[in-house]
Parts: sequence; C-alpha cells; structure tokens
Amino acid sequence: AQSVTQPDIHITVSEGASLELRCNYSYGATPYLFWYVQSPGQGLQLLLKYFSGDTLVQGIKGFEAEFKRSQSSFNLRKPSVHWSDAAEYFCAVGAFGNEKLTFGTGTRLTIIP
Amino acid sequence: EADIYQTPRYLVIGTGKKITLECSQTMGHDKMYWYQQDPGMELHLIHYSYGVNSTEKGDLSSESTVSRIRTEHFPLTLESARPSHTSQYLCASTGSPGYEQYFGPGTRLTVT
Repeated sequence: AQSVTQPDIHITVSEGASLELRCNYSYGATPYLFWYVQSPGQGLQLLLKYFSGDTLVQGIKGFEAEFKRSQSSFNLRKPSVHWSDAAEYFCAVGAFGNEKLTFGTGTRLTIIP
Repeated sequence: EADIYQTPRYLVIGTGKKITLECSQTMGHDKMYWYQQDPGMELHLIHYSYGVNSTEKGDLSSESTVSRIRTEHFPLTLESARPSHTSQYLCASTGSPGYEQYFGPGTRLTVT
C-alpha cells in the first residue's frame, strides 16, 4: 500500500526567506507525486506534479520540487516566500493503474513579516 | 483551469434533515471523488466513481451515499444528518490518462 508522510505539522518562515517542506512516500514501484496548496475555506489547488523524467519539477507560484528515489522524498521548495504563500500544503502519491491518491496530513505554513 | 463546482458552499442544518451536496464538472472527466476533511486535518476518501453508474466506497466509512447518473454530476446525500457529520466535503475529478485531481471549492457542513 502507498503512504505519504509530512513530518512537519506547522512551519513558520519570515517573508522573503527560503522554504522547504518535506514529503516522504512509501511505494514499491515508481510513484506519481503531487503537491497541492489549500487556502482557508478553499479546495486544493495543484502546485506541481512528477510522473517521470527530470527529477526537478517546476510548478506554479514559483514553487519547485525534487524527486529523490534513494531517499523516497519529494520536497517542495521556494527561494523566497511571500505573505500570500501562507496556507496548508499537501503532498500526495499515486501510481500507474491506481487512480486514487493518498494524501499526507499536511503542513501549515505561516509567514511572519 | 479546472472547472469543478460545489454547492452550497456553506450549509447549517438541523439534526435529522436530509441533505444533498452537489458537485459538477465541465471537463468531461470520467473519475470523480468525494473527500471528507476536518479542520486542520488530512483528507479522507469517502466515495469515488470511475464512470456513469459506477460508485465505490472509499477508505473512510461514511453514512453518506452517492450517485453517478451523468458524467458531469456526482451528488452526495445524507439521509439523516447528525452532528458527527459536521465537516468540510471536497469533490474532485480527474480525466484519463492524467492522474492529478482537480478540486472544487468545498462545502462546509454544520449539523446542529
């Protein structure tokens, strides 16, 4: 069975600082990996996805993520955060032939001036 | 941009009432999903459908039911609402061959 771990429940970052949110997955074959963002009272918006190929993927809003098979990780990064990045971030894993995604428990990001 | 809609956005209702949460998508996606999400908590899959007349229960047991009579429409029904049903309900869809799911804005349900 596939699973996702987001070790950080809550992260606080100063505006303009860099950001890295951690995601570890468990799956036997090549996973499909996703990062979503959820603003308060809203649905989830897809930030980026990894299916295959280049292990560094670019997404919307200046985010990127790197797939590291040896570490079973798919960490999300942003070089300089903005106050509008404050939200809940979810990592998710899927796989070929299994169109149900498994979501992590989420990381809440707080931005301080 | 994904076009998936949920109504109502907010609903406060008394115990014992029957309610239907609406979800529609205009993308022609085959697969649709319902998730339940408590505040600050992870998403739990409660129902999914891989096409018309196909529905399955998800990983989290739910007293709700769903139907899929039309591709674009995937309503969720609670026959008798209870306070334990208070939660946010998120609808999502995905098309083939992609696996990324597109989410609606959610319905926040409060049962008093």
